Amino acid sequence: ELKVEQNPLFLSMQEGKNYTIYCNYSTTSDRLYWYRQDPGKSLESLFVLLSNGAVKQEGRLMASLDTKARLSTLHITAAVHDLSATYFCAVDIPYGQNFVFGPGTRLSVLP
Amino acid sequence: GAGVSQSPSNKVTEKGKDVELRCDPISGHTALYWYRQSLGQGLEFLIYFQGNSAPDKSGLPSDRFSAERTGGSVSTLTIQRTQQEDSAVYLCASTRTGRETQYFGPGTRLLVL
Repeated sequence: ELKVEQNPLFLSMQEGKNYTIYCNYSTTSDRLYWYRQDPGKSLESLFVLLSNGAVKQEGRLMASLDTKARLSTLHITAAVHDLSATYFCAVDIPYGQNFVFGPGTRLSVLP
Repeated sequence: GAGVSQSPSNKVTEKGKDVELRCDPISGHTALYWYRQSLGQGLEFLIYFQGNSAPDKSGLPSDRFSAERTGGSVSTLTIQRTQQEDSAVYLCASTRTGRETQYFGPGTRLLVL
């Protein structure tokens, strides 16, 4: 059974600090997605990582994928309050439901 | 263009009643997914439709849950004899071909009293 883990599950950090969220998965996959969910809202796509070594950056967020290690990271640089949200990774699998989501990391950026 | 829409946005029902939740995917998207998200939790896969293929129903939690997709577009998720543990947000997503970025609807918040 494919397992997708994220850590930490909860993260409270101060504005201006850097931190990394990790997404580990247990099966071979060469695609991974990151989504953001604001409280009471739906999910919106952040990044699509399509190959080993892929790196994408948008503002203060940077995502990377290491398919050999079965690991993706979401790095936050100089956090601001607006980044407070829950972040989900989703692993692409070439069968069945196509995507398996991690449990989410709830990020709270404090002033 | 128009995104994924869901209706109703909120639904309050009494235990034992049936409910129908609707999802209207992005036009031209062949794949449609239903998920359930309990308060403060992650996404629980329910069912997946791809074109005219038989749906993947492996995530449906019981036979009280069913879904259909008419004409390869609109989908309806039906919950019969609702229970309090069915209370959750039901999210629908679509993709163009199946293995691409999912576009999520705003969700239906279901409360079973």
